[in-house]
Amino acid sequence: GAVVSQHPSRVICKSGTSVKIECRSLDFQATTMFWYRQFPKKSLMLMATSNEGSKATYEQGVEKDKFLINHASLTLSTLTVTSAHPEDSSFYICSAVPDHPMTDTQYFGPGTRLTVL
Amino acid sequence: GQQLNQSPQSMFIQEGEDVSMNCTSSSIFNTWLWYKQEPGEGPVLLIALYKAGELTSNGRLTAQFGITRKDSFLNISASIPSDVGIYFCAGSFSGTYKYIFGTGTRLKVLA
Repeated sequence: GAVVSQHPSRVICKSGTSVKIECRSLDFQATTMFWYRQFPKKSLMLMATSNEGSKATYEQGVEKDKFLINHASLTLSTLTVTSAHPEDSSFYICSAVPDHPMTDTQYFGPGTRLTVL
Repeated sequence: GQQLNQSPQSMFIQEGEDVSMNCTSSSIFNTWLWYKQEPGEGPVLLIALYKAGELTSNGRLTAQFGITRKDSFLNISASIPSDVGIYFCAGSFSGTYKYIFGTGTRLKVLA
């Protein structure tokens, strides 16, 4: 149980285009999901908290107009990188917190590697 | 952003050896978790700790939540080649689901 999927697993795009990444909880409902960014050989940095039915909460220094988050249902959150630039190239990972049972354990997706040319 | 201090940064050990790594913070956490990440994959939960002083095992892995709530350690006994990866600790504050991640310990096991 507690499986989280991400799509696509990797994407290459041209500078200036927008890219959408999906995060799905496959066998549980999740009101709360998170989006992280990870640079090579570095730790995970929290970008934002995605809440079903309300606006996402962004961490300090993360541009909300650049990284659009939509938590459309209790099993789906999307991250859209708008007008992507090479410096946006990174490994993006989502996680989800099961609504039941109520703990704060996060289950992570397999990640999406974004390369912006 | 804020991170937890994890040590050692990297370890090279022989197969069969035991491994110990720890995580420290200046902040008090409500929950400590240990994850393993392999290249190109997302982190996988190993052990979750919810009470100060709690000692929990998962197979060859043992983790403890420090009494002060500011530290945790992870031990791996009788290491095997598939233990290779990056181990991250993570802490969360009371009343929030947000994690702060450690800097990671990169483990390599020599057969």
